Amino acid sequence: KAGVTQTPRYLIKTRGQQVTLSCSPISGHRSVSWYQQTPGQGLQFLFEYFSETQRNKGNFPGRFSGRQFSNSRSEMNVSTLELGDSALYLCASSLGVGGTDTQYFGPGTRLTVL
Amino acid sequence: AQTVTQSQPEMSVQEAETVTLSCTYDTSESNYYLFWYKQPPSRQMILVIRQEAYKQQNATENRFSVNFQKAAKSFSLKISDSQLGDTAMYFCAFMKADNYGQNFVFGPGTRLSVLP
Repeated sequence: KAGVTQTPRYLIKTRGQQVTLSCSPISGHRSVSWYQQTPGQGLQFLFEYFSETQRNKGNFPGRFSGRQFSNSRSEMNVSTLELGDSALYLCASSLGVGGTDTQYFGPGTRLTVL
Repeated sequence: AQTVTQSQPEMSVQEAETVTLSCTYDTSESNYYLFWYKQPPSRQMILVIRQEAYKQQNATENRFSVNFQKAAKSFSLKISDSQLGDTAMYFCAFMKADNYGQNFVFGPGTRLSVLP
């Protein structure tokens, strides 16, 4: 079975622009979660989607949004980019919500904001 | 709010020896899950081991085992027979166990170096 894939792997943007990151979960997985990883803040939970519905959201401003499609693929959007948004963005998929199912992580998208 | 603390920013161990990574957490929840994730230099996060809070028996996965002390809110990871491939950042993580969406909280990580 193919693992979680994320595209693009690397991205360079300038302040004020917007960006869309994509995550394709493992086949059959219906839950997709997003995380931001930075040296200063560590790993932080952004949000989780299950069956096209956002189930939970971390403590991030409204510039961070996401969605999930009927095939469980998910996109994350960041508008009006700031320098502090430079980070590794990880997505993880699982069969269901909650902790009953193991989360499998993708390789991440490295976003650099100049 | 839940918090996860890993008091050892960096550790090293000789190949084939045993090392224990510490993790403590704070929560008022009674039902939750605890995890150890490994992030090698390649950056792909990999689940090492998982523990359900309602289970008293400590989880074990091959060379990896945990010491789960629920009352003390402690969840340490023991790596036996350390291998060079174990070199990585190790993150302890907490997750509430409810069906209203997960909210993962990660610790700051411990950088483990296995020395030849």
